[in-house]
Amino acid sequence: EAQVTQNPRYLITVTGKKLTVTCSQNMNHEYMSWYRQDPGLGLRQIYYSMNVEVTDKGDVPEGYKVSRKEKRNFPLILESPSPNQTSLYFCASSFDGGGGELFFGEGSRLTVL
Amino acid sequence: AQSVTQPDIHITVSEGASLELRCNYSYGATPYLFWYVQSPGQGLQLLLKYFSGDTLVQGIKGFEAEFKRSQSSFNLRKPSVHWSDAAEYFCAVGVVRGTASKLTFGTGTRLQVTL
Repeated sequence: EAQVTQNPRYLITVTGKKLTVTCSQNMNHEYMSWYRQDPGLGLRQIYYSMNVEVTDKGDVPEGYKVSRKEKRNFPLILESPSPNQTSLYFCASSFDGGGGELFFGEGSRLTVL
Repeated sequence: AQSVTQPDIHITVSEGASLELRCNYSYGATPYLFWYVQSPGQGLQLLLKYFSGDTLVQGIKGFEAEFKRSQSSFNLRKPSVHWSDAAEYFCAVGVVRGTASKLTFGTGTRLQVTL
């Protein structure tokens, strides 16, 4: 089954404790992206990747890191989480980025205390 | 830079009534246009998309959208709403420039359906 898988789905952590949210897709998509969803703000792009070893900032990259060492994986790293990073995070992938259909994971709800 | 406006935060319609969700975009040329739906606790699913050609686009679940260049709009419509259509709907604008690509989402419209 074609899918985008994120883990963990739910996480409660404390300020400053590094964490990684994993994302994996099995559709051989070139493009992958991370979004955060906050009430009243819709989805805002954090980082995206056009291909392996190619990443770029989205609209709200501060406090986040990503890497794209393999085509299928695109982890989101929070080196020192802060309470303002409490949010619902979505990973998505597509064949061709801004022009193509995005396939979304089910989301990861992160709470930073 | 492109932007998307969904002026209605929340809409309530009766089951069986018609629906129109508004979307306006700002971009210098014709972008790629999308509508996504998010059911509670789920990720987003594509309803339909417009790239070029016929300005009336048909999607899944009986939805359609019309691109109007003169109004910079891409409104979503459904002739008869079902209770299962209750969800949040997002309009999105996609721009591809060379090797760079960006998809910008609106803030969403939450649809409530009364029986």
